[in-house]
Amino acid sequence: GIQVEQSPPDLILQEGANSTLRCNFSDSVNNLQWFHQNPWGQLINLFYIPSGTKQNGRLSATTVATERYSLLYISSSQTTDSGVYFCAVLTGGGNKLTFGTGTQLKVEL
Amino acid sequence: NAGVTQTPKFQVLKTGQSMTLQCAQDMNHNSMYWYRQDPGMGLRLIYYSASEGTTDKGEVPNGYNVSRLNKREFSLRLESAAPSQTSVYFCASSRGWDSPLHFGNGTRLTVT
Repeated sequence: GIQVEQSPPDLILQEGANSTLRCNFSDSVNNLQWFHQNPWGQLINLFYIPSGTKQNGRLSATTVATERYSLLYISSSQTTDSGVYFCAVLTGGGNKLTFGTGTQLKVEL
Repeated sequence: NAGVTQTPKFQVLKTGQSMTLQCAQDMNHNSMYWYRQDPGMGLRLIYYSASEGTTDKGEVPNGYNVSRLNKREFSLRLESAAPSQTSVYFCASSRGWDSPLHFGNGTRLTVT
């Protein structure tokens, strides 16, 4: 099956810093999504982005499907950005997302 | 809008007991899913229902059964709980395979 790798696995930032999280995948995809799991365990959908670039406030995401990667940019990070960021991909004609193992982000004051 | 609602939030079972996790969505989504999340293993799909009346196995279906009761509700049943089923269970829904996935808040299950 498809392999989804996220980097870095862990990241510590000072509040106000910028960061880039990466998601590499081993096969062509029809669908790519980014999620944030907050420290209380809630999973929030950030972006549905099979290709191109989208922005939502301080967050933006870019997927280059032909090169099999996606990037999540966090600008001016805040403590509320802490948690785990997952990317998930869908391949072929299936209906099942495959999740990466996540990037654990901690934003400190 | 409540989104995706899961009950219960927490549950402790003894080995061999049975229980049903409930999930309901009010977004008129066609597809619903059950995932489990374990440390170091990420999120793994247990079962999904692409549309009302259909269910299919995911990556880790053994020990579980599901019922798509109607378009809104998708339940997960553990017939004989085992310690290996200790996990956090998430229900999710989407309009279809080509649309965003929305999660419930999870059920933390411990089997002793």
